[in-house]
Amino acid sequence: GAGVSQSPSNKVTEKGKDVELRCDPISGHTALYWYRQRLGQGLEFLIYFQGNSAPDKSGLPSDRFSAERTGESVSTLTIQRTQQEDSAVYLCASSLRASAYEQYFGPGTRLTVT
Amino acid sequence: GNSVTQMEGPVTLSEEAFLTINCTYTATGYPSLFWYVQYPGEGLQLLLKATKADDKGSNKGFEATYRKETTSFHLEKGSVQVSDSAVYFCALRGGGADGLTFGKGTHLIIQP
Repeated sequence: GAGVSQSPSNKVTEKGKDVELRCDPISGHTALYWYRQRLGQGLEFLIYFQGNSAPDKSGLPSDRFSAERTGESVSTLTIQRTQQEDSAVYLCASSLRASAYEQYFGPGTRLTVT
Repeated sequence: GNSVTQMEGPVTLSEEAFLTINCTYTATGYPSLFWYVQYPGEGLQLLLKATKADDKGSNKGFEATYRKETTSFHLEKGSVQVSDSAVYFCALRGGGADGLTFGKGTHLIIQP
């Protein structure tokens, strides 16, 4: 299919290690979003990319979190020195353009920090 | 800042019952409002949306009306089916934010 894909689907890591999560948006979608969903909570916005503009990083919870996107393609979310409170499902979404209302979500990466 | 509050679940109903899932919001300006659904084992999907006051979004028999005076966007369906069992999320976009602000989700269970 041509939906948003994410990898890995599951990741277990030890506290203090770095992890990288990958998102492949729908081809042609210029806007890309990362969200986090902790157990029993709603989705929290993390970061937003639109084309070649500077990303909106206002939702990143700490400087251990960073993300990159190459052009209008793949994005990686990196968490350095992981903590147990980072355990969550990390969701990526893309939309055709910044003002488009529908965001298409990927299946998520479940991160467990032990 | 923006926030969304929705009724906590799980909500358990019998097939053909009437469904209401309450959602209220706080936002500056005039946000757009959404309901997303996550079926078991699947990703989040947009169910319906409304972009201005008094708009009614509808899809798959579900409806929600954007009520600015009560800052609400309650989800309703007249006759639920077992296949409607899922987690439903109310969300908004507005107040200058780029991302969506979500409620915590309501787990709906429909029994035959």
